[in-house]
Amino acid sequence: DAKTTQPTSMDCAEGRAANLPCNHSTISGNEYVYWYRQIHSQGPQYIIHGLKNNETNEMASLIITEDRKSSTLILPHATLRDTAVYYCIALKTSYDKVIFGPGTSLSVIP
Amino acid sequence: NAGVMQNPRHLVRRRGQEARLRCSPMKGHSHVYWYRQLPEEGLKFMVYLQKENIIDESGMPKERFSAEFPKEGPSILRIQQVVRGDSAAYFCASSPPTGVTEAFFGQGTRLTVV
Repeated sequence: DAKTTQPTSMDCAEGRAANLPCNHSTISGNEYVYWYRQIHSQGPQYIIHGLKNNETNEMASLIITEDRKSSTLILPHATLRDTAVYYCIALKTSYDKVIFGPGTSLSVIP
Repeated sequence: NAGVMQNPRHLVRRRGQEARLRCSPMKGHSHVYWYRQLPEEGLKFMVYLQKENIIDESGMPKERFSAEFPKEGPSILRIQQVVRGDSAAYFCASSPPTGVTEAFFGQGTRLTVV
């Protein structure tokens, strides 16, 4: 699976959009970009995934660059409950084992 | 459809005892994964199982740890002769056998070795 690179930490003001970047320059054509998050002490939670096209669901939007070498997760209106560690992962299928890197620690500030 | 169920949620064991952690995957899911999270550290992959088979155990410590996913019943992570360093949160995840969906994680078992 391709290696991904994320900033160690970010802050975001409550109510503003949180934009979390991820670099995956070695991603292969059949690897999807997945995002998970872990709120303190809880089990990881799936957020969204995509292959080439931008995706949106009730939690977030995923913007993937045309060359697929990077992506951005957007939480449109961050709340305090969005404070968590966010992980960007490249996977070929849903049953590939998820290998978590250090992720981005997002702090939403009142 | 109930989510991934792990029990117990909290487990206290004395050094030298055995710990058994159980994971019931979501209905229809035949793939199970176990992860360990030491205090203030990241999530580390331990083992990937399908029904009655261990697919990848590259993250399992060589001694004292074992995992199974029998034809019937939950997946079990077993730690023999626990030591203080085994104190951690253990998470289980499951996914369906095909398709491109997501893995679902349980809320974890917090093992404390005293």
